[in-house]
Amino acid sequence: ETGVTQSPTHLIKTRGQQVTLRCSSQSGHNTVSWYQQALGQGPQFIFQYYREEENGRGNFPPRFSGLQFPNYSSELNVNALELDDSALYLCASSLELAGGYNEQFFGPGTRLTVL
Amino acid sequence: AQSVTQLGSHVSVSEGALVLLRCNYSSSVPPYLFWYVQYPNQGLQLLLKYTSAATLVKGINGFEAEFKKSETSFHLTKPSAHMSDAAEYFCAVSYQGGKLIFGQGTELSVKP
Repeated sequence: ETGVTQSPTHLIKTRGQQVTLRCSSQSGHNTVSWYQQALGQGPQFIFQYYREEENGRGNFPPRFSGLQFPNYSSELNVNALELDDSALYLCASSLELAGGYNEQFFGPGTRLTVL
Repeated sequence: AQSVTQLGSHVSVSEGALVLLRCNYSSSVPPYLFWYVQYPNQGLQLLLKYTSAATLVKGINGFEAEFKKSETSFHLTKPSAHMSDAAEYFCAVSYQGGKLIFGQGTELSVKP
């Protein structure tokens, strides 16, 4: 069983540019969540996708957007990058079931540096 | 708004000593509770979870946590620290299986 994978591992961009981060879900999972972890902080929820639709969003501006594909992989897009966007971006996949909790399995993250 | 508070951003213990990492949550509704560990330059690994079953939860690597509703706490303990336990630990809550709300993290150092 393949776990959650993310690409690229590291990325350096300049302010104002756009970036796309990718995530492959664990086999059998239908839900992907994205988190931003700034240095020295806990992860902050960006948004979640379930069956290709956004299913909840945290306190992030619209320049943070996402996609989920039919194979449940996902992309996180950030436009007009700002210095504060520098962070570790974590993807987590889960199997959404009616009722109860759905354990989220995390990928290794993508380290984004904005200069 | 729901929140998670981890008391102590940095905890240092000697090898073989008790590890106690504190976590309190704010909610009148018991949430699902989690402890995650993060090693340098890595993602998050689930240590243990509370999902309304037994209040004393055992996890991996000898860690356990006790859910105390009256204190809204979910402290993480390990009887004897090992050098390999040095890492960042995050407490998190989830309501109805949705987004995870994380605390600020506690960095655990283990002295030889």
